[in-house]
Amino acid sequence: SQTIHQWPATLVQPVGSPLSLECTVEGTSNPNLYWYRQAAGRGLQLLFYSVGIGQISSEVPQNLSASRPQDRQFILSSKKLLLSDSGFYLCAWSPPYGTSRGDTQYFGPGTRLTVL
Amino acid sequence: AQKITQTQPGMFVQEKEAVTLDCTYDTSDQSYGLFWYKQPSSGEMIFLIYQGSYDEQNATEGRYSLNFQKARKSANLVISASQLGDSAMYFCAMSLYNQGGKLIFGQGTELSVKP
Repeated sequence: SQTIHQWPATLVQPVGSPLSLECTVEGTSNPNLYWYRQAAGRGLQLLFYSVGIGQISSEVPQNLSASRPQDRQFILSSKKLLLSDSGFYLCAWSPPYGTSRGDTQYFGPGTRLTVL
Repeated sequence: AQKITQTQPGMFVQEKEAVTLDCTYDTSDQSYGLFWYKQPSSGEMIFLIYQGSYDEQNATEGRYSLNFQKARKSANLVISASQLGDSAMYFCAMSLYNQGGKLIFGQGTELSVKP
């Protein structure tokens, strides 16, 4: 069966510091991968998605970036965090297109980021 | 523009009763998917149920069913026989097949189940 991991679970960082959040998926190949952010009491906002190694699509202009160095690894980064980057970051995966219910996304446990 | 609307910020239901959470969507695409996710206080998003735009029958998954009315662009979630563990935030989402399968989420409905 497939599992998705995220770390760290929680993170407190000062303004201006760098960020690296990691997401890995097990038990599947060539998944579609997604990064979402959830502000307190709000719905999820898609930040980045990737359909393959090195292929990243950005949804929202910001000081965040994403990379996919391996098939099942997705990294969210920032060189200098802003107060507005605080939130709950969720990684998700879906099977590659063409499979049944290929677009159902399954989420990881999330990382709660506080920027002070 | 594509949009998901959940008009109920909070709902209460008595244990063992059924409850309907409302969701309406807006899209000009013909091919899309509709989803419901549950988010307990731990934060994890748990997939509950999926309905494809071409599916003629309403989706069901155990105690969850999706009341899909395509002409009205609504995709309400029905939870039968509510349990205390159903207390959580519930999000309706739409998948855009021609945009990498990305999900657009509503603002959520907080469901509280009373004993």
